[in-house]
Amino acid sequence: RKEVEQDPGPFNVPEGATVAFNCTYSNSASQSFFWYRQDCRKEPKLLMSVYSSGNEDGRFTAQLNRASQYISLLIRDSKLSDSATYLCVVNESGGSYIPTFGRGTSLIVHP
Amino acid sequence: GAVVSQHPSWVICKSGTSVKIECRSLDFQATTMFWYRQFPKQSLMLMATSNEGSKATYEQGVEKDKFLINHASLTLSTLTVTSAHPEDSSFYICSAYDYSGANVLTFGAGSRLTVL
Repeated sequence: RKEVEQDPGPFNVPEGATVAFNCTYSNSASQSFFWYRQDCRKEPKLLMSVYSSGNEDGRFTAQLNRASQYISLLIRDSKLSDSATYLCVVNESGGSYIPTFGRGTSLIVHP
Repeated sequence: GAVVSQHPSWVICKSGTSVKIECRSLDFQATTMFWYRQFPKQSLMLMATSNEGSKATYEQGVEKDKFLINHASLTLSTLTVTSAHPEDSSFYICSAYDYSGANVLTFGAGSRLTVL
């Protein structure tokens, strides 16, 4: 199985800090990319899709680097409520999408 | 957006019993659903890919006779944990793609199984 790698962390940052996570993928034929957020004892929820041109949603910016096969997530002005595990999801394509998950990066934002 | 409903959200059972977990796509048809297991403080582990009208594809190391998957309709997949034991206690989550939409993977809320 193709791999998706993430630094598990935890990333421990103060409120207001800027933090960035990377996720590398091994399958160069991967088609689409997403960041999910998972809170403790809850299901993952879509945070944002990652487009080739990069995309921004408020304090969150996602970027894709196909040449180096990684995606990134930047969080500006961190809030306590941003504390969660951030999962990178990469879709391979073999007729239908097959999602491959990274193990997640844990973020802890402290006062 | 696409909604996946999973039931029950939590269940406690005695060792040796079987437990069925349902996963429904509420507003879209899901020809493929994915079943995951997650132990505390660990990552999601894909157990199997459920295919409507055909046999599920199990990941290496997952016993298909213990984790029975049935995907009899385009909106329903079930996972049955047979003869459950305490080591099967875990968080089970299903997910599905809405291929008619944005091809985003949507998760059910998960089922927390505790086997006594």
